Amino acid sequence: NAGVMQNPRHLVRRRGQEARLRCSPMKGHSHVYWYRQLPEEGLKFMVYLQKENIIDESGMPKERFSAEFPKEGPSILRIQQVVRGDSAAYFCASSPAGTSNYEQYFGPGTRLTVT
Amino acid sequence: AQSVSQHNHHVILSEAASLELGCNYSYGGTVNLFWYVQYPGQHLQLLLKYFSGDPLVKGIKGFEAEFIKSKFSFNLRKPSVQWSDTAEYFCAVNRRQASGTYKYIFGTGTRLKVLA
Repeated sequence: NAGVMQNPRHLVRRRGQEARLRCSPMKGHSHVYWYRQLPEEGLKFMVYLQKENIIDESGMPKERFSAEFPKEGPSILRIQQVVRGDSAAYFCASSPAGTSNYEQYFGPGTRLTVT
Repeated sequence: AQSVSQHNHHVILSEAASLELGCNYSYGGTVNLFWYVQYPGQHLQLLLKYFSGDPLVKGIKGFEAEFIKSKFSFNLRKPSVQWSDTAEYFCAVNRRQASGTYKYIFGTGTRLKVLA
């Protein structure tokens, strides 16, 4: 029974390149959440998606960041023209539904380093 | 601003010592409360959760937490820690927004180091 899968686990990009982070939710889960973790800052909510829908993107930076969760395939968090400040751990979580009664199940994270 | 506060950022204990990690939130109304743990190099795992009912919640690995509504607190406790409890602990609040969706707000985390 596979949990939430994220790949790659580690990603190194030079400034100005694009970073693509993938998240496959747990089987049967149709809700995906992305978080960013910076040292000493805890987890910051970025975006909440259902299949083919962005439900809440209030935590996403207005520029360079985008997310999708297509009908088929994993959810993708895309960061264009990366800068050093984008270096962080990015975690994906999934839940079976978006109501309050469901905990979120987290993936192992992708550690992005921008050089 | 509405937030989730974990006042202790780093805690060092000896094995067998008792643990209490503080968590306070500033949201009114109905909230759901969680504690997650992140062991070194691993992903976040749920320790325990509170939705309603008995305010004293028991979780995995001997952890428990008490919801005190009047204090807006959900402190995590363990009577006797082990070296294997070394990890980072996150408190989280899940509440309904005006849009109808629910959002998790996490605290900044507490790094616990248990000395053998």
